[in-house]
Amino acid sequence: NAGVMQNPRHLVRRRGQEARLRCSPMKGHSHVYWYRQLPEEGLKFMVYLQKENIIDESGMPKERFSAEFPKEGPSILRIQQVVRGDSAAYFCASSPDSLYEQYFGPGTRLTVT
Amino acid sequence: GNSVTQMEGPVTLSEEAFLTINCTYTATGYPSLFWYVQYPGEGLQLLLKATKADDKGSNKGFEATYRKETTSFHLEKGSVQVSDSAVYFCALITNFGNEKLTFGTGTRLTIIP
Repeated sequence: NAGVMQNPRHLVRRRGQEARLRCSPMKGHSHVYWYRQLPEEGLKFMVYLQKENIIDESGMPKERFSAEFPKEGPSILRIQQVVRGDSAAYFCASSPDSLYEQYFGPGTRLTVT
Repeated sequence: GNSVTQMEGPVTLSEEAFLTINCTYTATGYPSLFWYVQYPGEGLQLLLKATKADDKGSNKGFEATYRKETTSFHLEKGSVQVSDSAVYFCALITNFGNEKLTFGTGTRLTIIP
């Protein structure tokens, strides 16, 4: 059973461009979580999704950030009009149920130039 | 709100030395506590966990005891190996069913042969 997949692993964007980060959960997992790790900080919760539903987006910035987890395909974290402060590592985690452990992907390191 | 404070790194030890990484927390309710490990280039892996006071989590020679009286969950290992070199994260959840992990900033551990 393959682990949580994230791509790309590294992404470079110029200020003002859009960044799309993809997360494929483990097989059989319908719960996805996104976390962000800013330089020299711990991971911070961003959003919790189930298939086609956003359950908790209390950690998402109000503007420019959005997330989805469609019925088919990976979960997408989208950042519009990126700024330098968006440079961070973005981690995705999945679980088969909200009561189970979260399994993390390797992360996408976004650099905004 | 919830918060996790862990020992700042980096920590450098010689092989076979005793390891302690301190972790204290502030939480509403009764949290479950976790240690995650991140090896170079990989995602976070759950190392061990404890779900109630006085529980001891253990795995791969690592141990941590849930101390409610001191709100601590210190990670220990009696004899470290070079392969233990990684970043270690202490984390908590306060409400199973809405699993927002709250992380510490991470402690980078390097073991010298």
